[in-house]
Amino acid sequence: AQSVTQLDSHVSVSEGTPVLLRCNYSSSYSPSLFWYVQHPNKGLQLLLKYTSAATLVKGINGFEAEFKKSETSFHLTKPSAHMSDAAEYFCVVSDQGGFKTIFGAGTRLFVKA
Amino acid sequence: DARVTQTPRHKVTEMGQEVTMRCQPILGHNTVFWYRQTMMQGLELLAYFRNRAPLDDSGMPKDRFSAEMPDATLATLKIQPSEPRDSAVYFCASAPSTDTQYFGPGTRLTVL
Repeated sequence: AQSVTQLDSHVSVSEGTPVLLRCNYSSSYSPSLFWYVQHPNKGLQLLLKYTSAATLVKGINGFEAEFKKSETSFHLTKPSAHMSDAAEYFCVVSDQGGFKTIFGAGTRLFVKA
Repeated sequence: DARVTQTPRHKVTEMGQEVTMRCQPILGHNTVFWYRQTMMQGLELLAYFRNRAPLDDSGMPKDRFSAEMPDATLATLKIQPSEPRDSAVYFCASAPSTDTQYFGPGTRLTVL
């Protein structure tokens, strides 16, 4: 069975400081892992995807995530937050066939000026 | 720039009325998903199709919800009769043969 846990429901950072959004997953096989972002009143947009090719995955808008199998984690980071990064972020685990997809509860990122 | 489109974007209706939401997946994508998003429950997978065949609709209340793909360019989600607890944002997503999903902008449904 698969599951995904986003460890923080809200994260607040100042503009220009690093962002860390935490995600732990559980899967009985090699999963695909994703981060999606949702801006207010918008659909979800893919930030990045891990599918076992490389443990450090680079995404759009300067975000990246590192797959750590020993820790069953897939945390999302960005070196320097921008005001436009304020949104909700979802960590997602999927079987590699894409049939079963589990979304985390989401982490809302606030960016202070 | 190919995108998933959904209509209507907003729908307000009264309890008991039928609601139909439509989704046009990205051309060439063979998998279509329907999700519901609420503040209380977050994102819930309702159903998904591959090559127009329903693969899993276990997340969908069977008594009032139905999902179909009349053809490869159209997926529909119908609620009959609608209830206030159905108020939510409904997202459609499509995927090619890989597992990356591309989401539409959603339909915001309000049932009074």
